Amino acid sequence: QSALTQPRSVSGSPGQSVTISCTGTSSDVGGYDYVSWYQQHPGKAPKLMIYEVTNRPSGVPDRFSASKSGNTASLTISGLQAEDEADYYCCSFAGSHYYIFGLGTEVTVL
Amino acid sequence: EVQLVESGVGLVQPGGSLRVSCVASGFTFKNNWMGWVRQAPGKGLEWVANIRQDGNEITYVESVKGRFTISRDNAKNSVYLQMNSLREDDTAVYYCVRWGLTGAMDNWGQGILVTVSS
Repeated sequence: QSALTQPRSVSGSPGQSVTISCTGTSSDVGGYDYVSWYQQHPGKAPKLMIYEVTNRPSGVPDRFSASKSGNTASLTISGLQAEDEADYYCCSFAGSHYYIFGLGTEVTVL
Repeated sequence: EVQLVESGVGLVQPGGSLRVSCVASGFTFKNNWMGWVRQAPGKGLEWVANIRQDGNEITYVESVKGRFTISRDNAKNSVYLQMNSLREDDTAVYYCVRWGLTGAMDNWGQGILVTVSS
């Protein structure tokens, strides 16, 4: 299976909103409500930001929201802050305990 | 506080073998699926393998099937990744991950760099 498709980079000014898309197929993103999103700062381990398509773990700011439509999931960061500058990866369950990540999106705060 | 700490020798020649280990603390280890995710230098994340709580259900990404073996020891709160027939494209940081009840990887180790080079 191929990696999920994400834009290579997105950018926005502080306070603005940015949205990252994550496109898969009916065998992964479109077939299950097990899409998660991870934030990774340079040299650090990834951190879970969203699970089960729309849910935020405790401690994740409500500036982070997510959704899914068909084979495409999306992560939106509202009120962009400097500390949001990082790489973001989507991940989807693809059946039989198999998981697939997106290629990753670099978020730049201008 | 959940902690996942990886360890293992970091450099191996192509065709060689290496085992990386992960010791968990701060939660009831036997209650969670565990797994490994890797990241090649400058590249994205790739799920590698996961293992059920009792060790009786295991899944691998296609590229490592037949070469890598994931296992766990619930008495030692540990999960392992035995890597054989290593190739240069296996060079990556390997992260130990915990699957939460949410079906997401809710805790990650700090990662260990495995370099396959002659």
